[in-house]
Amino acid sequence: DGGITQSPKYLFRKEGQNVTLSCEQNLNHDAMYWYRQDPGQGLRLIYYSQIVNDFQKGDIAEGYSVSREKKESFPLTVTSAQKNPTAFYLCASRKVSAGNTIYFGEGSWLTVV
Amino acid sequence: AQKITQTQPGMFVQEKEAVTLDCTYDTSDQSYGLFWYKQPSSGEMIFLIYQGSYDEQNATEGRYSLNFQKARKSANLVISASQLGDSAMYFCAMRRGNAGNMLTFGGGTRLMVKP
Repeated sequence: DGGITQSPKYLFRKEGQNVTLSCEQNLNHDAMYWYRQDPGQGLRLIYYSQIVNDFQKGDIAEGYSVSREKKESFPLTVTSAQKNPTAFYLCASRKVSAGNTIYFGEGSWLTVV
Repeated sequence: AQKITQTQPGMFVQEKEAVTLDCTYDTSDQSYGLFWYKQPSSGEMIFLIYQGSYDEQNATEGRYSLNFQKARKSANLVISASQLGDSAMYFCAMRRGNAGNMLTFGGGTRLMVKP
């Protein structure tokens, strides 16, 4: 089935450790995005990429890093520099030539212990 | 800068009745788009409906319709014939101009459908 797959669904991390969240899509979408959601709040943009090997910072990029080596993959690394990493992380993608709709994966819950 | 405001943190609706979820926005862009997403307790964000700023007709998708009032900068979501499965968080979002299609989200409204 086509879609956006995020893994792991739940992740626990010790303070001071980096962790990488996976996002893979088989929709042949060009643009990919990472959003963060804190409890009871809306989503905030971390990073986005419109083409392979290119990405831009969003509104809250500090403490995060990304790569876009393949069209279908856009992993997010939460580094130890991120002060409050516990949150719900959502990956999204869009087919540039097929309109404006952005589709989301099922999200990953990250908890720092 | 763009801003989305959803003033209703929570709402109840009786099953089979219609409900309107409010969304107002602020932008200096001439071209923009407005989205509504549903987020059930599982966490996934489900696309519901889209309205472009130049669209003359209000968007409709099945039981969902978007009441777009450009002069008032509002884009309210109307759900007709509510179902128990409609209970979820609902987010209004705005596309920022034409670059990158990044979305700015409102704070969400929790809708609870009563049997």
